[in-house]
Amino acid sequence: AQSVTQPDIHITVSEGASLELRCNYSYGATPYLFWYVQSPGQGLQLLLKYFSGDTLVQGIKGFEAEFKRSQSSFNLRKPSVHWSDAAEYFCAVGVVEYGNKLVFGAGTILRVKS
Amino acid sequence: NAGVTQTPKFQVLKTGQSMTLQCAQDMNHEYMSWYRQDPGMGLRLIHYSVGAGITDQGEVPNGYNVSRSTTEDFPLRLLSAAPSQTSVYFCASSYQGGDGYTFGSGTRLTVV
Repeated sequence: AQSVTQPDIHITVSEGASLELRCNYSYGATPYLFWYVQSPGQGLQLLLKYFSGDTLVQGIKGFEAEFKRSQSSFNLRKPSVHWSDAAEYFCAVGVVEYGNKLVFGAGTILRVKS
Repeated sequence: NAGVTQTPKFQVLKTGQSMTLQCAQDMNHEYMSWYRQDPGMGLRLIHYSVGAGITDQGEVPNGYNVSRSTTEDFPLRLLSAAPSQTSVYFCASSYQGGDGYTFGSGTRLTVV
């Protein structure tokens, strides 16, 4: 069965520091991979996506993610975190066989300290 | 362009009551889904649809019904509300799934 693991429930970084959020997936074929962000009380906003091509993908708000097939990983990175990046981040895999439904990880809550 | 619109934003139900959560999108998306979000569990798929007249169950379908009579609307019906259905519900739509889904702002449901 498809699954997504986000090993870190909470991460705290200082403003201006770099950020890496981890995501590992289990899926038999080449997956669609996504990162979403959710601010408190809000819906989810798509940060970036990957299906094929360049394994380093750029997204909105200065985020990027790298797909590593050998490690079944799709980690999210940002070189310099801003206080406004504090939110919950979700990694998801799209399951092609079921209408590209999304299977989500449990999420990582990012706290930014000034 | 309204995107994905969910109503109501908040709802309190008594155990055993029924209700319908509304979801509408104006982007002519074929794919629509309902998720529930619970702390520490991410989002779990309840039901999904790949077009009008076509629906299927997701990971946690028990206690919920859906239908898709039009491309625009995908209502979620709670048949007999239970406290375990207290959650935040999100509707999402996509052109074909691979582009990613657009999410509504959610409905916070409390069952007492």
